[in-house]
Amino acid sequence: SYVLTQTPSVSAAPGKTARITCGGNNIGRERVNWYQQKPGQAPMLVMYYDSDRPSGIPERFSGSNSGNTATLTINRVEAGDEADYYCQVWDSNSDQWVFGGGTKVTVL
Amino acid sequence: QVELVQSGAEVKKPGASVKVSCKASGYTFITHGINWVRQAPGQGLEWIGRISAYNGNTDYAQNLRGRVTLTTDTSASTGYMELRRLRSDDTALYYCAAAKDPYYYQSGNSNPFDYWGQGTLVTVSS
Repeated sequence: SYVLTQTPSVSAAPGKTARITCGGNNIGRERVNWYQQKPGQAPMLVMYYDSDRPSGIPERFSGSNSGNTATLTINRVEAGDEADYYCQVWDSNSDQWVFGGGTKVTVL
Repeated sequence: QVELVQSGAEVKKPGASVKVSCKASGYTFITHGINWVRQAPGQGLEWIGRISAYNGNTDYAQNLRGRVTLTTDTSASTGYMELRRLRSDDTALYYCAAAKDPYYYQSGNSNPFDYWGQGTLVTVSS
């Protein structure tokens, strides 16, 4: 089945930029969704269809997807952005959803 | 506002079955399918399966096919996940999540999980 690969951890200082990548074979042809999960909480959608933000998600969050890599970018990182982030793709070959392994974002 | 409220924590012995419920409110039930996702302690998210609340169609993760059954009761706006022949590695937090139903909206399958339940801890231990 389809495999999504995420870097286990990313860190950024407050005010700087954090980039979270999600690798997959020709992932640029797929629609990628991103979820944020803070400790003790359920995941929350922060980006869908590669680059669309749900209502309530700050404009500091943006997404892109091309080739073999999808990227979630957090500009002007804040302490409240510290969380685990997961990418997600629908694998039409096996008719199942696939999640990446998750990336822990640490705000220094 | 939309809410998905799940049933309480369960402790089961290996080989037993568990059934977790997910009651939806704040939207028309048949417009969103119910997905189930689990998270083992300290681990990432694993998709279990989904059911269309519109026509009952199901899709399951390959590694759980045969042990899991998803159902809905549209009159109660509730989805259910039953997992059988439990093993210790089934110990996890189980979430339900609602996504726009591709059959209802006649859309593609990539609809994101807009709403999540609070999670149900299932512990499998002898």
